[in-house]
Amino acid sequence: AQSVSQHNHHVILSEAASLELGCNYSYGGTVNLFWYVQYPGQHLQLLLKYFSGDPLVKGIKGFEAEFIKSKFSFNLRKPSVQWSDTAEYFCAVNPRRDDKIIFGKGTRLHILP
Amino acid sequence: SQTIHQWPATLVQPVGSPLSLECTVEGTSNPNLYWYRQAAGRGLQLLFYSVGIGQISSEVPQNLSASRPQDRQFILSSKKLLLSDSGFYLCAWSRIDRLAGGTQPGYEQFFGPGTRLTVL
Repeated sequence: AQSVSQHNHHVILSEAASLELGCNYSYGGTVNLFWYVQYPGQHLQLLLKYFSGDPLVKGIKGFEAEFIKSKFSFNLRKPSVQWSDTAEYFCAVNPRRDDKIIFGKGTRLHILP
Repeated sequence: SQTIHQWPATLVQPVGSPLSLECTVEGTSNPNLYWYRQAAGRGLQLLFYSVGIGQISSEVPQNLSASRPQDRQFILSSKKLLLSDSGFYLCAWSRIDRLAGGTQPGYEQFFGPGTRLTVL
């Protein structure tokens, strides 16, 4: 069965630190990849997405993610985090020509001011 | 623009009572619709999805069911709630190209505000 693994359950960083959140998926075919974010008290919203082309994709608020096909990974990065990045982050995978989108368990990011 | 509504926002129900949660989408047609349950530390668990009226796919066997009586309406139901049904239920929609099949590349999901269900 398809699955998505997010390596870190809870991450605590100080402002200006660099961030990398890991995401691996298990599916042998072509996939669409997403990172979603849920800020406290808000709806889930899209941070960035990859479907083809340049494996390094840029999203909102300075986030980027790199798709490494050989590693089945889609890690999220930000060079310098801010207190306002405190949120829960979800990686998601949609196998092409499939209507399902599978989410990881999420990573809670807490940024210390 | 498209909007997605969920009703009610919060619900407290006794064990054994029935459940009906409603999700409606505006501003689009023929969407894929999804029900998720979000629990702390467990992420988003896909419960049901639908590619059209009356078409429901179940991902997790349990005492919940889903129906899609209209193109932009998706309902989550139970005949008898269990304590373990407590959680945060999210509805989502995405676009679909029915000629190509499946969710088209780059078409993300859009989520509703959710319903907090507490079963006592």
